[in-house]
Amino acid sequence: QQPVQSPQAVILREGEDAVINCSSSKALYSVHWYRQKHGEAPVFLMILLKGGEQMRHEKISASFNEKKQQSSLYLTASQLSYSGTYFCGTDSGTYKYIFGTGTRLKVLA
Amino acid sequence: NAGVTQTPKFQVLKTGQSMTLQCAQDMNHNSMYWYRQDPGMGLRLIYYSASEGTTDKGEVPNGYNVSRLNKREFSLRLESAAPSQTSVYFCASSEWAGTGGLGYTFGSGTRLTVV
Repeated sequence: QQPVQSPQAVILREGEDAVINCSSSKALYSVHWYRQKHGEAPVFLMILLKGGEQMRHEKISASFNEKKQQSSLYLTASQLSYSGTYFCGTDSGTYKYIFGTGTRLKVLA
Repeated sequence: NAGVTQTPKFQVLKTGQSMTLQCAQDMNHNSMYWYRQDPGMGLRLIYYSASEGTTDKGEVPNGYNVSRLNKREFSLRLESAAPSQTSVYFCASSEWAGTGGLGYTFGSGTRLTVV
């Protein structure tokens, strides 16, 4: 079962903040976050581990709530370069990551 | 440059034809994966290889076969292509499978059209 991401799409002005959520129906060991620009391959942003700390990548941070089986990605003071589709990938201890359907983010000048 | 190399980048097949998508990584990673990406569906796992000599089914394995040729190479074969297999295919690798692997490195993708 794919994790569910919300929202499906979001449009921001430069400098605004956004939150992308990822929810799973299964207990999670870890969560990956990726960004994919149009026509390109997904690029790894960060991993959230069970019992681990909140992670950061530039002005992007993420949290992992094990009890709620959820992760959230926080984009602060968004830049034009943040535009793309964001995917979460979840690992339930099965040695493979299952990806969500993605959240399309567009940052306008 | 270090990374994951996929060939070909584009391919058009007729229904019923067969083909093999090639993938090679030069990062000494142990685990390799094949995903397909369709509009609105995200990335769906076809097959993966947690380590050299092992392969396992993912979410959507029907119509595909894989071979982990050695530690570097992991190929995906379509024996009898169908229009439903029109998609963008991504190969990825990681140091280890599951939580032990610190992120996947993806290849640039193969755009496959089956007519």
